Amino acid sequence: QVLLQESGPGLVTPSETLSLTCAVSGGSINNYYWSWIRKPPGRGLEWIGYIYYSGNTKYSPSLKSRVTMSVDTSKNQVSLNLDSVTAADTAVYYCARLGSVDNYYFYIDVWGRGTTVAVSS
Amino acid sequence: DIVVTQSPLSLSVIPGEPASISCRSSQSLLHGTGNYYLDWYLQKPGQSPQLLIYRGFNRASGVPDRFSGSGSGTDFTLKISRVEADDVGVYYCMQTLQGRTFGQGTKVEI
Repeated sequence: QVLLQESGPGLVTPSETLSLTCAVSGGSINNYYWSWIRKPPGRGLEWIGYIYYSGNTKYSPSLKSRVTMSVDTSKNQVSLNLDSVTAADTAVYYCARLGSVDNYYFYIDVWGRGTTVAVSS
Repeated sequence: DIVVTQSPLSLSVIPGEPASISCRSSQSLLHGTGNYYLDWYLQKPGQSPQLLIYRGFNRASGVPDRFSGSGSGTDFTLKISRVEADDVGVYYCMQTLQGRTFGQGTKVEI
């Protein structure tokens, strides 16, 4: 059973960079897409982007200028950096895996439990 | 960017009765393969979201057949044939044709 564990600081200062890590256990990071999704308090889910294990990325247009995702196959983990944060970036951040039955259409089949990040001075 | 709009945003249901949620996209979600690029997820209270339906109408593994997805073009529907108490939570549709975009979510309560 694949498990995803997000980690990072629970509090980030405005204008700084939010950095999170997703540790993958029970399976390999290879040959999969990995995604970050967030849920601001009182609001719905927001897709941040995804990264293939080889490093190819696709980001949400609204966050593209501030987001960087990376993978470390040696550590079996995925990372998220979000620059110049504001209070609007306060949210529960989820790491997720994109699975497929035909290697053509990809859906989110595994979710982490999420980590809460607050942006405040 | 594709915008996805759900309705209603809140739904009160009666156990044993049917329920449906609508999802409308700002452009057709029909892919060149002939498939519709839309998924449905449920986030139960205190839990991470879980996949219900992928590619328009395909039930995910382990999902009861009470749940079904339908639709075409820009209009899609998630139907629960007989609601159970365990079905409460927030339901999201998500387009997967261009990147990913979630709908606002529909809160379902008994």
